[in-house]
Amino acid sequence: KQEVTQIPAALSVPEGENLVLNCSFTDSAIYNLQWFRQDPGKGLTSLLLIQSSQREQTSGRLNASLDKSSGRSTLYIAASQPGDSATYLCAGVQGAQKLVFGQGTRLTINP
Amino acid sequence: GAVVSQHPSWVICKSGTSVKIECRSLDFQATTMFWYRQFPKQSLMLMATSNEGSKATYEQGVEKDKFLINHASLTLSTLTVTSAHPEDSSFYICSAGGGSAAYEQYFGPGTRLTVT
Repeated sequence: KQEVTQIPAALSVPEGENLVLNCSFTDSAIYNLQWFRQDPGKGLTSLLLIQSSQREQTSGRLNASLDKSSGRSTLYIAASQPGDSATYLCAGVQGAQKLVFGQGTRLTINP
Repeated sequence: GAVVSQHPSWVICKSGTSVKIECRSLDFQATTMFWYRQFPKQSLMLMATSNEGSKATYEQGVEKDKFLINHASLTLSTLTVTSAHPEDSSFYICSAGGGSAAYEQYFGPGTRLTVT
């Protein structure tokens, strides 16, 4: 059974810093790895999707990497801004498009 | 990106009543829709997967007679919480994928259910 773990559970950094969020998964037989953002009381916004054949994806200040052999993915956020404050969730995509979510990292960017 | 809507965005109901939540893919056809539940400060837990025109597949521990799912068309799935109880109070989120959305899932904004 796939288990997804995110570390740290919460992170607080000053504005402008670069930061890395970590995600690990137990079963390397995932199709894709997806990162989401969730604001309080809201649904999910997809940030980046890395297909199993890819090693990384970039969008603006975000870069996500995937290492299936080690069961790890990282989300790198450059030059953080207060608007980046949210909970970030990673999810492994199993067969039939089933997503298994981690517990999330609650990120706070302090002005 | 593709848009998924949910209705209502929040609902309060009395214990013992039933509540229906709609999930619609607005600008694409989704062969598969997923229903998740999220308790406060916790992650999303998949409840069931529904494919258009067929019965939903429920995850272990989810009561199919309590959480009725219907996926009547490529753009609409409904979740009905029957005989709701306070412990059913949660944030319910749907996602849609497959079809013209290919391998990616698009999430709705969620529905906050409070059972009093």
